[in-house]
Amino acid sequence: QSALTQPPSASGSPGQSVTISCTGTSSDVGGYNYVSWYQQHPGKAPKLMIYEVSKRPSGVPDRFSGSKSGNTASLTVSGLQAEDEADYYCSSYAGSNNFFYVFGTGTKVTVL
Amino acid sequence: QVQLVQSGAEVKKPGASVKVSCKASGYTFTSYGISWVRQAPGQGLEWMGWISAYNGNTNYAQKLQGRVTMTTDTSTSTAYMELRSLRSDDTAVYYCARASGWNYNWFDPWGQGTLVTVSS
Repeated sequence: QSALTQPPSASGSPGQSVTISCTGTSSDVGGYNYVSWYQQHPGKAPKLMIYEVSKRPSGVPDRFSGSKSGNTASLTVSGLQAEDEADYYCSSYAGSNNFFYVFGTGTKVTVL
Repeated sequence: QVQLVQSGAEVKKPGASVKVSCKASGYTFTSYGISWVRQAPGQGLEWMGWISAYNGNTNYAQKLQGRVTMTTDTSTSTAYMELRSLRSDDTAVYYCARASGWNYNWFDPWGQGTLVTVSS
């Protein structure tokens, strides 16, 4: 199973919005509404930001939102803040044969 | 608060085995699963598998089948991940995470990570 495809980097100025894409296939992203997004600061453990495509866990700012169209899921960060600078990974359920999950390649978000 | 605390760093020789522990607190352990995810130095995340803390059912990533075993001890709310026949490319930070939702599809929170170094 190949990793989901994300752009290596994205950037924006404080207050702007940035959108990260996560492209898979009809066997993973396109086939199920089980896409989640994780934020990882350097040297730290990942943190859940979005689950089941667009649901936000308690405590995550509403500046973070998720969506999906076809085989591509997206994470949008609105009103960028300095603390949003981090790596972001998507994850998707990848089918019933092995009940397994696949992560994206990761995107480094830089706040200019 | 919900917390997962992992065991400390390990250095192993090629061919050896490693067993990483993950102690949960702040929630009913048997109501969730535990997923294990690893991250090689400078690389992305790789899902290794999950275990149901309710009934011990497991699902492993195909590439690790036969080398990995995940278990739980419900009396101590602790999950374990054992990886055998270690190779240099198993060098990574290993994370446990509480798994929730249908088929344990999202992971929150995560443990602090355990660095496993495989070197002769």
